[in-house]
This record gives sequence, structure tokens and C-alpha cells, in this order.
Amino acid sequence: DAGVIQSPRHEVTEMGQEVTLRCKPISGHNSLFWYRQTMMRGLELLIYFNNNVPIDDSGMPEDRFSAKMPNASFSTLKIQPSEPRDSAVYFCASSSGTGGVNTQYFGPGTRLTVL
Amino acid sequence: QQQVKQSPQSLIVQKGGISIINCAYENTAFDYFPWYQQFPGKGPALLIAIRPDVSEKKEGRFTISFNKSAKQFSLHIMDSQPGDSATYFCAASHSGTYKYIFGTGTRLKVLA
Repeated sequence: DAGVIQSPRHEVTEMGQEVTLRCKPISGHNSLFWYRQTMMRGLELLIYFNNNVPIDDSGMPEDRFSAKMPNASFSTLKIQPSEPRDSAVYFCASSSGTGGVNTQYFGPGTRLTVL
Repeated sequence: QQQVKQSPQSLIVQKGGISIINCAYENTAFDYFPWYQQFPGKGPALLIAIRPDVSEKKEGRFTISFNKSAKQFSLHIMDSQPGDSATYFCAASHSGTYKYIFGTGTRLKVLA
């Protein structure tokens, strides 16, 4: 299995620009998570999808952030407009089932730098 | 009550030594405790996990010790190797939810 695939791996953009991060979960997994990792705040859950439906977006920082999952094999996280404080590593993870005991498999992450 | 407190923040161990990382939680509803290992530039990867019905779980050089009454659990890395140098995260979850509560991470460096 290819594991969770994220693109791009690195993104450098200027403040005010739109940024779109992409994720392909492991085939057969029905839960998808977007996390943000920073030195100051550690790993933060941004949003959780189950069967392509957003279940909990309480971690999304503000309206500038949006996420979609149009089908079982693709999800996007969009930031518009981007700000320097959005600089972080963004991870996508997927798991089978809905319970917390189901292992979450993380992708390699997208390192976002907003200048 | 949702927090998982992890210590130490960083740890330096000699090759062959024992690395110990501790975590504490408050929510007694948690019933799944995984440990993740993260190498620089990579995503976290599951290392080992435990349920509260056992007090210890061992996989190779990695052991989780679990103390339900104290609401604490720890990761022991025996015979630590330079290749174990990474950041380790503990987490806690409840089987009825999807959410992992992660600790703040421990950066381990094993000296050759």
C-alpha cells in the first residue's frame, strides 16, 4: 500500500495568497483527519471526516480555513487568504472505522511557509 | 480534563541505555493509549499501543507500562540506539470517539 499521500510536500507563498493542500487517504479507510503541527502548539486536529462527511471542524482556526472531501480518495485543505501565522506542517491522516482504537496513519506532511 | 501531559520535553541518552518517557491523563474514559514516533521530515507513525486491561505491553525493545490507578503510562526504550533518535508522542483516546489527544512530544537523542 502506498500509504497516505500528500501534496505538495513544501509550499512557500506570500501573505494573502490562496493555498490548497491535497491528501489521498489509504484505500479502504473511511475516516480522514487534518492536523497542524507547530513548535508552540504541537499537533492540533483541525477537522475530521467520516465517510466523506465533515463530522467535527471545531479545530479549524477561522473562516480562512476550509476543507472538502468530494470522494473517498481525495481531500483538500484550503487557506484563503494565507497569513504568516499559518506557517506550519500540515498532516493528513486516515483510519478505518470510527472508534478511537483504530490506528491513524499519517502522511508525510506539507510544510507551509507564508512570507 | 482532555489534556495529556508528557515529560520530559527532551531527553539525551547514551547508546545502550534506557529511555523513559512519561505521560499522564485525567479523563478516565480514555481506553486506548498509542505512542507515535516521528522522524524529522516525516509524519508520526504508530510505534506501540496499549489498552487499560493490561499493565504492560512489550514489542521488541519498546515497552509500555500502564498504571490505571495513577492515570499514568510510560514508554521504555531498552538498549537505546542512535536510530531511535526521534520525537515521541503519547496519545489517548476513547473507543467511542474518533479523537486522539496528543501529548506535547519528547525529543529523544541517543548518543553513539
